[in-house]
Amino acid sequence: QKEVEQDPGPLSVPEGAIVSLNCTYSNSAFQYFMWYRQYSRKGPELLMYTYSSGNKEDGRFTAQVDKSSKYISLFIRDSQPSDSATYLCAMSAGMSGGSNYKLTFGKGTLLTVNP
Amino acid sequence: DVKVTQSSRYLVKRTGEKVFLECVQDMDHENMFWYRQDPGLGLRLIYFSYDVKMKEKGDIPEGYSVSREKKERFSLILESASTNQTSMYLCASSPPRDEQYFGPGTRLTVT
Repeated sequence: QKEVEQDPGPLSVPEGAIVSLNCTYSNSAFQYFMWYRQYSRKGPELLMYTYSSGNKEDGRFTAQVDKSSKYISLFIRDSQPSDSATYLCAMSAGMSGGSNYKLTFGKGTLLTVNP
Repeated sequence: DVKVTQSSRYLVKRTGEKVFLECVQDMDHENMFWYRQDPGLGLRLIYFSYDVKMKEKGDIPEGYSVSREKKERFSLILESASTNQTSMYLCASSPPRDEQYFGPGTRLTVT
């Protein structure tokens, strides 16, 4: 079983739709969770950072973590064409988990928002 | 704003050449990382450094070496470039926490 699984898509939605992006993981030591957005031919940009279980909201973006199910989600409300990008999930056990700040990434989901 | 810069956006090198990729961060971060990104394989960690002159191997260090002489600068060296090292190379830095900040990437082509 891969440590982090992410549906590669591609995912195509109309402008204004609610988008749900998901990752599952197998390592119960993970406690720091991130979402990155990567536009074509650019470096990943940190979008959301959460610790442990719960929700975090930032504008149109909401990150959810369910540690009991080993499942994380990113919701995008009122999606815009400028949201078209690859979205990567990433997670870490933190120093206490011995990861030495290394991140484990999903392979990314390609999202296209059509005007 | 965190700023991570990479020396080149695009690079074309010949097989057997020695290649240097430079990364500079301006946020006084302790940790720096080098990844390569390939379609279908995602991001793979090559090397990372948690202090000046300190380095640790990542998941795919073969064919690469690194140098960190100053806190803000982390260099990736391809000792003898090969065609299977054609890839997008990404540098990242982080404070003593887990979130990493990436540079714009260097697209390297080895012919």
